[in-house]
Amino acid sequence: DTEVTQTPKHLVMGMTNKKSLKCEQHMGHRAMYWYKQKAKKPPELMFVYSYEKLSINESVPSRFSPECPNSSLLNLHLHALQPEDSALYLCASSQDWRTEGYTFGSGTRLTVV
Amino acid sequence: QKEVEQNSGPLSVPEGAIASLNCTYSDRGSQSFFWYRQYSGKSPELIMSIYSNGDKEDGRFTAQLNKASQYVSLLIRDSQPSDSATYLCARGVYGNNRLAFGKGNQVVVIP
Repeated sequence: DTEVTQTPKHLVMGMTNKKSLKCEQHMGHRAMYWYKQKAKKPPELMFVYSYEKLSINESVPSRFSPECPNSSLLNLHLHALQPEDSALYLCASSQDWRTEGYTFGSGTRLTVV
Repeated sequence: QKEVEQNSGPLSVPEGAIASLNCTYSDRGSQSFFWYRQYSGKSPELIMSIYSNGDKEDGRFTAQLNKASQYVSLLIRDSQPSDSATYLCARGVYGNNRLAFGKGNQVVVIP
């Protein structure tokens, strides 16, 4: 299995809703990432998990809450989002990123209404 | 100052021609560079990685890293319509596991 699987592929949520994005990989990668990408912009790093521990939080608002229950699974919990949070949310994983880079999932297209 | 700069606007190339993309950076530390291809509405797909000075070839793609001049480039030979996409340059600095992306260059291959 050489894939990073993200669910759901599309999500529409209201500003008072609570939802979660899920990311799974079975490549044995020890680092996992969340990126946010707005239309016609590059991906922006949100969080980095290394060996199931949060190692980087790029000053992301607390309405985004990451969780890494085990080495294969990464969640992003969403609460009280704003319409400007609408974007493509990308999960990625890596083992030796210096030579192999990151492997991205297909993303979750989030719309906040 | 941004970590990686991609300044060229959209690039239109005829089918079969060479497309050339450039990316500059300012930090001289140990680092790796990556070129990702992203089709509209899809996620980035890694096409090349390079961390040693010089050229690296993979099929129709060649990545070039010039540490003295601090740039990395991507050449796409025999461009095909399926190469029409946005190409993102990314950099990772050793000791700091976070890939930073340039703003991307759109390539349009004209049949």
